[in-house]
Amino acid sequence: NAGVTQTPKFQVLKTGQSMTLQCAQDMNHEYMSWYRQDPGMGLRLIHYSVGAGITDQGEVPNGYNVSRSTTEDFPLRLLSAAPSQTSVYFCASSYSGSVGYGYTFGSGTRLTVV
Amino acid sequence: KNQVEQSPQSLIILEGKNCTLQCNYTVSPFSNLRWYKQDTGRGPVSLTIMTFSENTKSNGRYTATLDADTKQSSLHITASQLSDSASYICVVSAPGGAGSYQLTFGKGTKLSVIP
Repeated sequence: NAGVTQTPKFQVLKTGQSMTLQCAQDMNHEYMSWYRQDPGMGLRLIHYSVGAGITDQGEVPNGYNVSRSTTEDFPLRLLSAAPSQTSVYFCASSYSGSVGYGYTFGSGTRLTVV
Repeated sequence: KNQVEQSPQSLIILEGKNCTLQCNYTVSPFSNLRWYKQDTGRGPVSLTIMTFSENTKSNGRYTATLDADTKQSSLHITASQLSDSASYICVVSAPGGAGSYQLTFGKGTKLSVIP
């Protein structure tokens, strides 16, 4: 089925460990982004990409790295996990970052850092 | 600072009843407003997208209204069903840098439909 696929769905990390959250879309969307969702807060943008080879920071980029080597994939790397990074992470894609285009979200990765 | 405020935070209604969710925003300049439905443990799914020139837009039993002058939007759900139980998120878009757009998300309204 077409859409945005995120893996893993759940992950527990120890403080200081690193890991990569995977995101893949098969809709040939140019725009991809990562959000985190915390209790009592709206989704916040971490990083985004307007096309292969192009990435930029969002509202809360510290502690995260991204790269975009292909149109389909947009992995999010946690360099040294901290308890403050415990959250639900969503990847989203859109035909374009321009206004008027809807976003398709993945089903999320629930990350716990202990 | 751009903000999106939603009310109520949570709502419980009986199956078959109607309800209205509110969204007030201070985002400026305004590009469009979106309503998303987020089921528990799932990602948000788009319900409607409205530009400043649109006053109302429907998607089945969901009807969104927009008053760009007062910066208010509402989402009306008709004849609610158990499957409508979810969080409903209001998202406002504004122009960012280099042709991009910034989305400001509300915290959502958690709707519970009970038999």
